[in-house]
Amino acid sequence: EDKVVQSPLSLVVHEGDTVTLNCSYEVTNFRSLLWYKQEKKAPTFLFMLTSSGIEKKSGRLSSILDKKELFSILNITATQTGDSAVYLCASPRGGSNYKLTFGKGTLLTVNP
Amino acid sequence: ETGVTQTPRHLVMGMTNKKSLKCEQHLGHNAMYWYKQSAKKPLELMFVYSLEERVENNSVPSRFSPECPNSSHLFLHLHTLQPEDSALYLCASSQGGGQGSEKLFFGSGTQLSVL
Repeated sequence: EDKVVQSPLSLVVHEGDTVTLNCSYEVTNFRSLLWYKQEKKAPTFLFMLTSSGIEKKSGRLSSILDKKELFSILNITATQTGDSAVYLCASPRGGSNYKLTFGKGTLLTVNP
Repeated sequence: ETGVTQTPRHLVMGMTNKKSLKCEQHLGHNAMYWYKQSAKKPLELMFVYSLEERVENNSVPSRFSPECPNSSHLFLHLHTLQPEDSALYLCASSQGGGQGSEKLFFGSGTQLSVL
C-alpha cells in the first residue's frame, strides 16, 4: 500500500526563522511528488517535483526531491505570519491517473 | 480564488435529512473530485469523474451519492448520514488523464456537521 508520511506534524516558529518540512514516500511506479498549502480551507498548489525536476524554487519557498532516499523537503526562509498554514505532501498512486496519496500534513504556526 | 466554487460553506444536518453539496469549476478542466478531510487524517478521495464519467473505484458508503451532469458541475447528495461523517468536504478539478492530472485545484470546502 502506498504511503506518504510527513514530519513534524506541527511546528511553531518566530517570524524570520527558516523551517524545513519533511515528506517521505513509498509509492509504486513513482511519477511525481506535490506540495500544497492549506490556509483556512482550500489547499493551493505549491510545487510538483518529478524525476526530471528535482528542485523547485519560488521566492522564499523551495523544495527538493531525493529519489534515492525517497523523501522531499519543503524549505521556507525568512518566515512570515502569512506562512502559517497546513502544508500537505502528496504523490499519485501507482497505476492511477487520478488518485493521490496524501500525508497528514504539517501545521506550521509563525508567531510575530 | 482558485476557480473552483463550492456551496454551501457550512452545513448542519440531522441524520434523517437529505442535502446536496454543489461544486462548479471555471477552469476548463475535464476531471472533478470529491475529497473528505477529517481531523488528524489525510485527505481521502471519495469520487472522481473524468469527462462526466465516473472513474476509479473507491469504497464509499451508499449514503453518499455523486452526480456529474457536465464537466463543470459536480454534486454530492447526502442522505441518512452518521455523526462520523462530519468533516470538511473538498471539491477539486484537474486536467484529467496523464501528466497534469495530479495538479489539483481545490474549492474552499463545505464544513459538514451531522447531529
